[in-house]
Amino acid sequence: SQQGEEDPQALSIQEGENATMNCSYKTSINNLQWYRQNSGRGLVHLILIRSNEREKHSGRLRVTLDTSKKSSSLLITASRAADTASYFCATEEEDSGGSNYKLTFGKGTLLTVNP
Amino acid sequence: DAGITQSPRYKITETGRQVTLMCHQTWSHSYMFWYRQDLGHGLRLIYYSAAADITDKGEVPDGYVVSRSKTENFPLTLESATRSQTSVYFCASSELGGRHQETQYFGPGTRLLVL
Repeated sequence: SQQGEEDPQALSIQEGENATMNCSYKTSINNLQWYRQNSGRGLVHLILIRSNEREKHSGRLRVTLDTSKKSSSLLITASRAADTASYFCATEEEDSGGSNYKLTFGKGTLLTVNP
Repeated sequence: DAGITQSPRYKITETGRQVTLMCHQTWSHSYMFWYRQDLGHGLRLIYYSAAADITDKGEVPDGYVVSRSKTENFPLTLESATRSQTSVYFCASSELGGRHQETQYFGPGTRLLVL
């Protein structure tokens, strides 16, 4: 079952603009992560935000988390053509019923940054 | 540092054949995962393993078998391939699990075509 759901499915912007992607999820979580996937490649971890955090920064990335609305946003500032990729949110559900662990990924947002 | 590798990178097989996809990581991470990625479905977890000789089903395990005799290897076998198993398969590993899940590191993927 899909836990995280990204919005929009696709986003096209010009170089230098900011890009905002959103993720909504259904159940309580321990943390939420954002990953990036370049075409034909594996996913690469970008940033992790824990359920007790509201905002986190990493370089040009800013992630927010609103647990009351069960949503997160990823902001990429001053975008570059090289930021063109798919971006996925992934959630670790709280108390997934045992000591083992699972991440649930959304379907992703395809970001295209035009030079 | 090779990280996490998958082989083969591309595979064409026929319906009914057995296929094994290999995954190897050099970090001695405890957790390893197999995902499949399909258009419209995002990433879906097939199987995961918390340690050598410990495996568990994910969201879509039917038709797949895994083993983990050594910490660094996590092969995925399609016992009798079907066309619906045509997909891109990603292996991932993580140092921690349970309630302390951190980053997952992904391999480059195996593109499998079942004719």
